[in-house]
Amino acid sequence: NAGVTQTPKFQVLKTGQSMTLQCAQDMNHEYMSWYRQDPGMGLRLIHYSVGAGITDQGEVPNGYNVSRSTTEDFPLRLLSAAPSQTSVYFCASSTVTGPSTGANVLTFGAGSRLTVL
Amino acid sequence: AQSVTQLGSHVSVSEGALVLLRCNYSSSVPPYLFWYVQYPNQGLQLLLKYTSAATLVKGINGFEAEFKKSETSFHLTKPSAHMSDAAEYFCAVTKNTGNQFYFGTGTSLTVIP
Repeated sequence: NAGVTQTPKFQVLKTGQSMTLQCAQDMNHEYMSWYRQDPGMGLRLIHYSVGAGITDQGEVPNGYNVSRSTTEDFPLRLLSAAPSQTSVYFCASSTVTGPSTGANVLTFGAGSRLTVL
Repeated sequence: AQSVTQLGSHVSVSEGALVLLRCNYSSSVPPYLFWYVQYPNQGLQLLLKYTSAATLVKGINGFEAEFKKSETSFHLTKPSAHMSDAAEYFCAVTKNTGNQFYFGTGTSLTVIP
């Protein structure tokens, strides 16, 4: 059982370049999300999805796009990278079934470290 | 809006000493509260969670946390620190729908031999 798989683990981009961070989970989780982790700021939610075809913005969505065509995959796209997007990115998933979905636990990937020069 | 505040970005304790990591939350409704741990170069993993079933919550590796509504706190404790406890710890809160988790800024725990 692989859990949540993120690729690539490391990436260096030049300002203005585009790229996609991949996230895949094999747990049949409906909920998937992307966070960025910056020193002294903890984890901040970028985008999330509660199922295929459904996405919504989190705290810091600007500069990022997402789509959810399948239950398993939730890619994060940077259309024109900026140095401010240098960060460690985490994908996380959980179930959303049941009346108290807030109690659901997030399963995290190992992270993708992105540097924008 | 919901948020959590973690007091102390860095905490150092001696091996065998009490670990106390502080978390306060702000919420207009009873929240769900979590502590996650992140070891170097890894993703976050759950230590424990509060879901209103009991105010004292026991987690993995000997950690526990107590929900105190009057103080809006959810501090994490462990009676005796071990070298393997050195990591970054995050408090998090979410509400009933669970669509948005709000994480604190994290506390880095150093255990001194």
